[in-house]
Amino acid sequence: NAGVTQTPKFRVLKTGQSMTLLCAQDMNHEYMYWYRQDPGMGLRLIHYSVGEGTTAKGEVPDGYNVSRLKKQNFLLGLESAAPSQTSVYFCASSYHTRAYEQYFGPGTRLTVT
Amino acid sequence: KNQVEQSPQSLIILEGKNCTLQCNYTVSPFSNLRWYKQDTGRGPVSLTIMTFSENTKSNGRYTATLDADTKQSSLHITASQLSDSASYICVVSATMNRDDKIIFGKGTRLHILP
Repeated sequence: NAGVTQTPKFRVLKTGQSMTLLCAQDMNHEYMYWYRQDPGMGLRLIHYSVGEGTTAKGEVPDGYNVSRLKKQNFLLGLESAAPSQTSVYFCASSYHTRAYEQYFGPGTRLTVT
Repeated sequence: KNQVEQSPQSLIILEGKNCTLQCNYTVSPFSNLRWYKQDTGRGPVSLTIMTFSENTKSNGRYTATLDADTKQSSLHITASQLSDSASYICVVSATMNRDDKIIFGKGTRLHILP
């Protein structure tokens, strides 16, 4: 099992450009999450999904959109990137609720210039 | 306000020595507490989970303790190895109205010197 995979691993964007980060899991988990991690801030939840076709806002959702068309995939979109979105993005999944163990992907390092 | 505070922010110790990391929380109603290890450039990986009734849990050289009365947890690392160099993140879950929320600490950065 690959667990949780993320693509791409690195990306540099110019302000105003758009991009989509892809997360895939092969553990048949119901819940999936997108976090950002910034120095001194810890992990912050952007959006999450409790099942195929559902999405919900986390604590820092502005400027991002998500979609969960298939159970195994969770996409994070940036429509108009801003320098404040420079960060490391982690995808995670869990078998059931957020209180269950979360399995994290390797991360995507995004720089917006 | 639900908060998780970790101390110290960073710690440097020599290989072979023991160390203890602290986590204080004000999360309510408490569901469980996890310690994650995050190696540089990688995603966090769960080390232990503590529920309300558990005081101590070990995972190899890692031992976590929980005092639910004082809302404190610690992670003790015995006979440290170079591979223990990482960030250690305390995560507390709260369950309210059948909805779980999790609160992440900012982590303790541990450096093991040879």
